[in-house]
Amino acid sequence: NAGVTQTPKFQVLKTGQSMTLQCAQDMNHEYMSWYRQDPGMGLRLIHYSVGAGITDQGEVPNGYNVSRSTTEDFPLRLLSAAPSQTSVYFCASSYSEGTEQYFGPGTRLTVT
Amino acid sequence: QQPVQSPQAVILREGEDAVINCSSSKALYSVHWYRQKHGEAPVFLMILLKGGEQKGHDKISASFNEKKQQSSLYLTASQLSYSGTYFCGTERPSNDYKLSFGAGTTVTVRA
Repeated sequence: NAGVTQTPKFQVLKTGQSMTLQCAQDMNHEYMSWYRQDPGMGLRLIHYSVGAGITDQGEVPNGYNVSRSTTEDFPLRLLSAAPSQTSVYFCASSYSEGTEQYFGPGTRLTVT
Repeated sequence: QQPVQSPQAVILREGEDAVINCSSSKALYSVHWYRQKHGEAPVFLMILLKGGEQKGHDKISASFNEKKQQSSLYLTASQLSYSGTYFCGTERPSNDYKLSFGAGTTVTVRA
């Protein structure tokens, strides 16, 4: 049981490049989320999904796209990277609302 | 809307107690508590649901005052391993139960 996995662990992008952060879970959780963490600001929700084919925006969705074609995978796409997107990105999953969230190990992204 | 946590930071000696507070201006369904060590992912501590009981985990416990939309995390007889940043997260019906986190409280426990 791997839990929540994220790839890559580290990434450096140039301004304007695009990329996809991968997230997968093997716990059959319906709920999956993407957060970004910046110093002094806690975790901010980017996008959210309550099941395959269903996604919703969080607090800071601009510049990011998601899709959920399977229960297991929830990739996050950066369309045109900007220095303001330099951050640590965490993917998380849970069984439903009101239940524990399991976090992946994170991806540290630097945009130059 | 993110919940408000206080204090921002606290320094303890081993064996001392501390309280971390989390408050919201909107009606809450649940309050989550997580701890994060430097360079690692947040780790779940406990969840308090509306109408539920006070929870405990070893010498760490929490309460939820539904009328005031406030939760408190109690660190009792602190150990070195309690050092880290503590985050509360709240789920609200008015926000489709999306989990929203506070800015965190950094706890440093010294020998």
